[in-house]
Amino acid sequence: AQSVTQLDSHVSVSEGTPVLLRCNYSSSYSPSLFWYVQHPNKGLQLLLKYTSAATLVKGINGFEAEFKKSETSFHLTKPSAHMSDAAEYFCVVSTNAGKSTFGDGTTLTVKP
Amino acid sequence: KAGVTQTPRYLIKTRGQQVTLSCSPISGHRSVSWYQQTPGQGLQFLFEYFSETQRNKGNFPGRFSGRQFSNSRSEMNVSTLELGDSALYLCASSLGTGTGNSPLHFGNGTRLTVT
Repeated sequence: AQSVTQLDSHVSVSEGTPVLLRCNYSSSYSPSLFWYVQHPNKGLQLLLKYTSAATLVKGINGFEAEFKKSETSFHLTKPSAHMSDAAEYFCVVSTNAGKSTFGDGTTLTVKP
Repeated sequence: KAGVTQTPRYLIKTRGQQVTLSCSPISGHRSVSWYQQTPGQGLQFLFEYFSETQRNKGNFPGRFSGRQFSNSRSEMNVSTLELGDSALYLCASSLGTGTGNSPLHFGNGTRLTVT
């Protein structure tokens, strides 16, 4: 069985300050982990993925995430928030059976 | 490369009716998954098709069904619509290698409103 917990349902930051969106996972197998972003009335867009190569993964738009097996975490970070980063973010774990489990999402608000 | 295309973009239906939603995956992608997204329940997995066969299924009633054609295009059907079926329905395609490391590529969804 696998599960994903996004520890914050809402995160609010000021423009230009760092972003941290937290994700813990549980999986019986070596998982693949993903972060997706969803802007209002749009589909989800892949930000980055971890598939057992480097533990620090760089994605699009300046985002990166670090896989920490000992902490079963895959937190998403960005050094400096931009207004356009305001959206909902989903952490996803996927097994080798091809089944994806989504977290409940974190809404990021960026204040000017 | 064209992205995932979902049609129609918006739908308004009446309780008791049925509806068919369509999804065209990215060229070369053989897996198509469907998700229901609502404010209360979040993103919920409906089913996944690979090479015209349902490979995975979520926990939805039999009123929700789907199929995949030989060109990988997929349709989902909801019969006897209920008010609670109002949602954004998202389709995602992937290479579907079964290894779990193929990312999902999402369409912009179909917004279904049941009145």
